Amino acid sequence: ETGVTQSPTHLIKTRGQQVTLRCSSQSGHNTVSWYQQALGQGPQFIFQYYREEENGRGNFPPRFSGLQFPNYSSELNVNALELDDSALYLCASSLASVLYGYTFGSGTRLTVV
Amino acid sequence: GQQLNQSPQSMFIQEGEDVSMNCTSSSIFNTWLWYKQDPGEGPVLLIALYKAGELTSNGRLTAQFGITRKDSFLNISASIPSDVGIYFCAGPGGYTGTASKLTFGTGTRLQVTL
Repeated sequence: ETGVTQSPTHLIKTRGQQVTLRCSSQSGHNTVSWYQQALGQGPQFIFQYYREEENGRGNFPPRFSGLQFPNYSSELNVNALELDDSALYLCASSLASVLYGYTFGSGTRLTVV
Repeated sequence: GQQLNQSPQSMFIQEGEDVSMNCTSSSIFNTWLWYKQDPGEGPVLLIALYKAGELTSNGRLTAQFGITRKDSFLNISASIPSDVGIYFCAGPGGYTGTASKLTFGTGTRLQVTL
C-alpha cells in the first residue's frame, strides 16, 4: 500500500507566476484535501475534493484552485503568486466514509521570491 | 473562527523525562486529534479522542479529552530522542460545503537532549 505522494518536493517561483502542485492519493482513498502550512504555524485548510468536485473551501482567494482526476489524484494551482504564498503545501487523502482519517503527504515547499 | 492554542510553544527536555502539553479551544469540540510532524514530513496521527473525559494511550503516549470539551492534553512518558518534532492538536473545523476539515493548533516544538 503506497502512501500519499507529492511532487515536486521543493520549488522556487517569482512573484506573479503560476504554479501547479501534484498529489497522488493513498490507494483506496477517494477524497483529497489541501492544506497550507506557513513557517512556524499549523496547517490551514485550503479545499477538499471528492468525486472530482470541490466540496468545501477554506478562507483562500479564488486564485487558489484545484482539480481531482478519476484516479483520485489531485492538483493545486496558484495563480499570480504573492510572497505570502511561500509555505509548505500538504496534501491529505482519506476515505470519505472515515471521518478525519487523513493520511498526509510530505508536502511541497514553495518559495516565492 | 475557531482557534486552538497550544502550550507550551516549545520545550527542551532531557531523555527519560516525562512531557506534558495541552491544547485549548475557543469553542466546544466533539473530536480531538493529536499529530506529530517531523522535519520535512507531513503530520502523522498519534491519537484520536471522541468522547469527553476519554483517556487513550498509544505506547508511551497518553491523551485526554477534557470534560469541558474545550481542551485536550497529551503526555509522553520516558522521552527518547525520536520524540523530537512538532506536536499539533487538531479538531473538526466545521463543515464547509460538504467537506470535513481540520483546524490545527499552533503546535508545541519538542527538543530532547541526551
